[in-house]
Amino acid sequence: EPEVTQTPSHQVTQMGQEVILRCVPISNHLYFYWYRQILGQKVEFLVSFYNNEISEKSEIFDDQFSVERPDGSNFTLKIRSTKLEDSAMYFCASRRDRGTEAFFGQGTRLTVV
Amino acid sequence: KNEVEQSPQNLTAQEGEFITINCSYSVGISALHWLQQHPGGGIVSLFMLSSGKKKHGRLIATINIQEKHSSLHITASHPRDSAVYICAVRSGLQGAQKLVFGQGTRLTINP
Repeated sequence: EPEVTQTPSHQVTQMGQEVILRCVPISNHLYFYWYRQILGQKVEFLVSFYNNEISEKSEIFDDQFSVERPDGSNFTLKIRSTKLEDSAMYFCASRRDRGTEAFFGQGTRLTVV
Repeated sequence: KNEVEQSPQNLTAQEGEFITINCSYSVGISALHWLQQHPGGGIVSLFMLSSGKKKHGRLIATINIQEKHSSLHITASHPRDSAVYICAVRSGLQGAQKLVFGQGTRLTINP
């Protein structure tokens, strides 16, 4: 069964460092998302991406964040200068089209120290 | 006020019991999702529904659009059903239609 793949599963980084979280969505999917879940809290929307551009972003997704689909298969989330409060589980999700089910990756646990 | 509210927040039951988790939402939606999150953190989609009822094995999901309410039922519960169950809604007809999540219901089934 096709699945969304995220790497790494766990990343520890120093405050102020840049991190790139990687996702490989399901191959025929057109809509891509990043969500995050701070420990003990609910899952929050970060950004959606369609047709090679951001279609919506949340207040959390400030200038420190960027997304890219560099090669037609990978979908990356970059945090330019990490803060302690960026520590969370980051989930990538994809959908084939607007009316269909979303599939989630297993998540990347980011720990900023 | 949260757009998606789940109840209860925590639920402990004995193996074999019938389980009901409720979800109420305050916005117009195009679909509602029930998701399962295991202790390792990964999220698995259980159901996507926009009307009526869906069944998959021992799981049943219902939605009442007029009342803005959905329920997830588990029949003959088993310890392996222990997980966090999350309700999420998708709203809007335009754009990429992000999901808005409830806070989750932590279910523990004791043998």
